[in-house]
Amino acid sequence: GAGVSQTPSNKVTEKGKYVELRCDPISGHTALYWYRQSLGQGPEFLIYFQGTGAADDSGLPNDRFFAVRPEGSVSTLKIQRTERGDSAMYLCASRLTGTANSPLHFGNGTRLTVT
Amino acid sequence: GNSVTQMEGPVTLSEEAFLTINCTYTATGYPSLFWYVQYPGEGLQLLLKATKADDKGSNKGFEATYRKETTSFHLEKGSVQVSDSAVYFCALSANFGNEKLTFGTGTRLTIIP
Repeated sequence: GAGVSQTPSNKVTEKGKYVELRCDPISGHTALYWYRQSLGQGPEFLIYFQGTGAADDSGLPNDRFFAVRPEGSVSTLKIQRTERGDSAMYLCASRLTGTANSPLHFGNGTRLTVT
Repeated sequence: GNSVTQMEGPVTLSEEAFLTINCTYTATGYPSLFWYVQYPGEGLQLLLKATKADDKGSNKGFEATYRKETTSFHLEKGSVQVSDSAVYFCALSANFGNEKLTFGTGTRLTIIP
């Protein structure tokens, strides 16, 4: 079956612009996570959804970052007034439930470059 | 806070060599520990995990043992293959209900035929 799908795979934008990154989780997965991976680093947690609600957004770096999951399936990560430091790989992951016993599936990521 | 310290790379080995990638952690409570692997051009995949002290996770010839006394989860393989070339990430989740992961910085492994 289909895995976690992220679009676009690459996004180049100018400093100050607004971007949206999309994540299509595996069908039926209630838990969805966003991570950010800078070059040479491990992924860093941004936000976790259980269903439609953001259960933990403690990893969002500032108020320029926002994410939604209005119908409990597709999620969109939104970045306002992008800065060059936002350049990174943005990863989405989903699992059937919010527990560690449920395997976590990652997408291939969206590489964001802010020029 | 929680953190994972991972052996820095890159690591280059010959085929059939023995592999160890060190990983130590800092966490409150009793975390679950994981190794994830990222093959070239692919997304992160779970390689193995251990959920309590002294558990051994294993998969594809790789093993790691959850050592609470040394707060370690070192990855080992007795005989590596060219197909093992990838980036390996050690990670933990603190089991506080949302299971978010804290990752190490990753170790790039290259196996030479």
